[in-house]
Amino acid sequence: SQTIHQWPATLVQPVGSPLSLECTVEGTSNPNLYWYRQAAGRGLQLLFYSVGIGQISSEVPQNLSASRPQDRQFILSSKKLLLSDSGFYLCAWRRRDRESSYTFGSGTRLTVV
Amino acid sequence: ILNVEQSPQSLHVQEGDSTNFTCSFPSSNFYALHWYRWETAKSPEALFVMTLNGDEKKKGRISATLNTKEGYSYLYIKGSQPEDSATYLCALSFSGGYNKLIFGAGTRLAVHP
Repeated sequence: SQTIHQWPATLVQPVGSPLSLECTVEGTSNPNLYWYRQAAGRGLQLLFYSVGIGQISSEVPQNLSASRPQDRQFILSSKKLLLSDSGFYLCAWRRRDRESSYTFGSGTRLTVV
Repeated sequence: ILNVEQSPQSLHVQEGDSTNFTCSFPSSNFYALHWYRWETAKSPEALFVMTLNGDEKKKGRISATLNTKEGYSYLYIKGSQPEDSATYLCALSFSGGYNKLIFGAGTRLAVHP
């Protein structure tokens, strides 16, 4: 069966520090991969998605970047965190057929102080 | 910008009540509609994926309908139970960008015993 791992679960980082959140998927190949963020009091905002190794689509211009160095690995990064980067970050994967639903990781609560 | 609107924003019902909420979206270029249930401290969990106008899906006491021509979907919960308390998210993908899912802000349901 397929599983998705996301870590760390919580993170408190000072402003200006770097960030690296990692997500890996097991039990499937060639998945679509996604990073979403929920800011306080708001819905889920799509940040990045990837349909293959090295292929990254950015949805919102911001202080973050994403990379997909391997088929089942998706990394969210920042060189210098801002206070506005605080939020709940979710990684997700799905197969490529039209009726495939998304499977989400357990999330990372990031607080920038 | 593609807007997915959910109403109401929050809902309080008594145990045993039936309830429903709405998801509205632009009807042009529709590809698929997803419903997710998101409990506090957990990841969003897929309920339904619907692709055809007139689709109706059911899972236990929860059902959903889809009208792609007028751009709306309803989610119904029959005989609400306290364990149904969660945020219900509607999300859409559109042709021309079907690899990405755009989420509404959600309807937060609280079922009181």
